[in-house]
Amino acid sequence: QSVLTQPPSVSGAPGQRVTISCTGSNSNFGAGFDVHWYQHLPGTAPKLLISGNSNRPSGVPDRFSGSKSGTSASLAITGLQAEDEADYYCQSYDSSLSGWVFGGGTKLTVL
Amino acid sequence: QVQLQESGPGLVKPSETLSLTCTVSGGSISSYYWSWIRQPAGKGLEWIGRIYSSGSTNYNPSLKSRVTMSVDTSKNQFSLKLRSVTAADTAVYYCARGPRGYYYDMDVWGQGTTVTVSS
Repeated sequence: QSVLTQPPSVSGAPGQRVTISCTGSNSNFGAGFDVHWYQHLPGTAPKLLISGNSNRPSGVPDRFSGSKSGTSASLAITGLQAEDEADYYCQSYDSSLSGWVFGGGTKLTVL
Repeated sequence: QVQLQESGPGLVKPSETLSLTCTVSGGSISSYYWSWIRQPAGKGLEWIGRIYSSGSTNYNPSLKSRVTMSVDTSKNQFSLKLRSVTAADTAVYYCARGPRGYYYDMDVWGQGTTVTVSS
């Protein structure tokens, strides 16, 4: 049971827009801690996709965007491409647990 | 470009100590925080702990009693020891750079190494 809750899977057709939600609580998002998003293809190194709620590191396409409001956050991917098929994880800090926490991950399937 | 590579035994017996090393290349280990994260099969990511290049550490409270991290700046490496392992410690173990504070991310990751706990 992850501290941050994500849907196990989402899917979309090429060119479409999908969103992945990440639900937290008052001890993480609600306490003001930022959300970060990672893209992970099995067998490879996870890649930082969104930092500090909505900032894209250099090299990340602007098709990826992030937001946070209250105790929830979301990752949006527009113009879906086959190469976007991967697992996506949200991450934050939790003051009750005194540590950094992750969501359970969402598998994105491009139909 | 900084790269991280995990190394260590892929098989550990129950009750023994899991030992992994992360080698940092393409940059210095100094002045950064470095973390270990694991992922059991079919489950999410779990932060194990972090170490600063000076040696100061923060551990996940749920693992704190069994974890020790260390750093060797001369070799640009940091290490993880997890004592008294059980089958529940079977996972892919990742090393990563960061986070440097409560509000920060882990911006570079290794590819991970699979550790199986079995007799």
